[in-house]
Amino acid sequence: ETGVTQTPRHLVMGMTNKKSLKCEQHLGHNAMYWYKQSAKKPLELMFVYSLEERVENNSVPSRFSPECPNSSHLFLHLHTLQPEDSALYLCASRGYTGELFFGEGSRLTVL
Amino acid sequence: KQEVTQIPAALSVPEGENLVLNCSFTDSAIYNLQWFRQDPGKGLTSLLLIQSSQREQTSGRLNASLDKSSGRSTLYIAASQPGDSATYLCACMTTDSWGKLQFGAGTQVVVTP
Repeated sequence: ETGVTQTPRHLVMGMTNKKSLKCEQHLGHNAMYWYKQSAKKPLELMFVYSLEERVENNSVPSRFSPECPNSSHLFLHLHTLQPEDSALYLCASRGYTGELFFGEGSRLTVL
Repeated sequence: KQEVTQIPAALSVPEGENLVLNCSFTDSAIYNLQWFRQDPGKGLTSLLLIQSSQREQTSGRLNASLDKSSGRSTLYIAASQPGDSATYLCACMTTDSWGKLQFGAGTQVVVTP
């Protein structure tokens, strides 16, 4: 248990659906991240939020839309995804020492 | 751009042997380096964090060293156990304002009984 909770753990969606991934942390951290992990590839940074402000968008397609309503919650809104977007999506929060704590991930399958 | 490489990509050892996992990075201007463990289908578990001013960190059977000048870190796991079977990832945090972690591809470890 890292203190970072992601829901849902598994999600199957069609290419025309709209869904959202949720991440929650109660560690008192003020920076949160979305990473994408595809098979056979290193983790890719998608978005960074610091103090609820997006500070990094790593050339992610607009079909992925992040939202950070407060320092404890982070969402990733998904719409009109492609099959190649199927991956494990990981959320992390950063402690004051710079250590990152990850959630268990949301496994997304796009049909 | 920081590039992180982990060698070997896979490793199989008998139980009781010591494990040595290597990580190299191209830009020595890092804020910290972190080692993670990942079990199949799961998230990442932080194992050790080494700040840029430190040379090593230890936790139980785990010891990680950092040599910024040569761009290398090594994770040692003493007296390996089957429960140590997992993928081990190293990641360097950038020194820019937002602390982005750049990951290696990982080393997949199998410890056989």
